[in-house]
Amino acid sequence: DTAVSQTPKYLVTQMGNDKSIKCEQNLGHDTMYWYKQDSKKFLKIMFSYNNKELIINETVPNRFSPKSPDKAHLNLHINSLELGDSAVYFCASSQGQGGRELFFGEGSRLTVL
Amino acid sequence: AQSVTQLDSQVPVFEEAPVELRCNYSSSVSVYLFWYVQYPNQGLQLLLKYLSGSTLVESINGFEAEFNKSQTSFHLRKPSVHISDTAEYFCAVSDVGGFKTIFGAGTRLFVKA
Repeated sequence: DTAVSQTPKYLVTQMGNDKSIKCEQNLGHDTMYWYKQDSKKFLKIMFSYNNKELIINETVPNRFSPKSPDKAHLNLHINSLELGDSAVYFCASSQGQGGRELFFGEGSRLTVL
Repeated sequence: AQSVTQLDSQVPVFEEAPVELRCNYSSSVSVYLFWYVQYPNQGLQLLLKYLSGSTLVESINGFEAEFNKSQTSFHLRKPSVHISDTAEYFCAVSDVGGFKTIFGAGTRLFVKA
């Protein structure tokens, strides 16, 4: 049973479209994250939710909107997709703060044409 | 704010040779330190972490890292690598009591036969 699962695994879409990525964790963790990994493998935090409350919101364009309907789910909706949004998006979860291991999903590879 | 610098983007090494992957960090507050490994087309997995106590930490598959506060370093070492160690390795830091984990740019370890 996968601990952190993301869907879909691959998305290919045209510029200007809107897309969503879903994430679910069955570890009972209280904190979830979205990270973006670019083509050079650089990993950058985008958002974090703790007990459904947004606690980290990095300098991400407001075309990106996260939503956490409950502690086990964190979704990412992206409006008006641009070429630069092409990346692998990773969902992760942890329990508590500071020093806690992050558990990552397998990633969702977004390609914007 | 914290930052992490991984000094080598790629490290090629022959099988059974020793390897060191270098990591330096900067922070104005106390931090926890981590090494994560990413195999192709997968999410990141925790390799080892330093929270407190002994400055030398070990993983179950033979890697070790030493926290050096004066040099703000957390280098990863393995005395004898295997082909299966070929992967991307990320050094990461999180502030004590915080939720944000910042990753270095990654080092690609390539083990040759």
